[in-house]
Amino acid sequence: KQEVTQIPAALSVPEGENLVLNCSFTDSAIYNLQWFRQDPGKGLTSLLLIQSSQREQTSGRLNASLDKSSGRSTLYIAASQPGDSATYLCAVRPGGFKTIFGAGTRLFVKA
Amino acid sequence: NAGVTQTPKFQVLKTGQSMTLQCAQDMNHNSMYWYRQDPGMGLRLIYYSASEGTTDKGEVPNGYNVSRLNKREFSLRLESAAPSQTSVYFCASSMDGQMQETQYFGPGTRLLVL
Repeated sequence: KQEVTQIPAALSVPEGENLVLNCSFTDSAIYNLQWFRQDPGKGLTSLLLIQSSQREQTSGRLNASLDKSSGRSTLYIAASQPGDSATYLCAVRPGGFKTIFGAGTRLFVKA
Repeated sequence: NAGVTQTPKFQVLKTGQSMTLQCAQDMNHNSMYWYRQDPGMGLRLIYYSASEGTTDKGEVPNGYNVSRLNKREFSLRLESAAPSQTSVYFCASSMDGQMQETQYFGPGTRLLVL
């Protein structure tokens, strides 16, 4: 059974710091991996989607990598800002219509 | 263009009461989904609708029913609410449910069952 784990559950960093969020999954048979952002009381917003054939995707200050063989993905945030404070969720698509989500990492960027 | 909308935003029920959560999307998407999010856990799929006229069970369907009313609307019904159904419910949609697509989420409905 596919399981997705995100460690740490919470992270606090000073503004301007570069940081890495981690995601691990137990079954390497995935079609893609996606990173979402969730603000308090809001729905999820897609940040980056990496297909299984890709190694990384970049959008602005965000860079996501995927290593299927080790069952790991990282989300790198450069020059963090208070506006980056949110919960970041990782999700894998094993097939069909199902998506398996991690519990998320709650990020707080201090001004 | 409102995206995915959900009503109500918040609801309190007593055990045994019933209610329907409404979801609508204006992106002409074929596939729609219902998830629940509980503290310390990832979102879990309750039901999905690959296209208008079809619905299928997800990971945690017990205690729920769904209706794909038309291409735009997908409702989730709790026939007899239980405290274990206290959660935040999210509706999502995607173009066709293909692997390269992303899902677009609504703002959620917070449900408290006493």
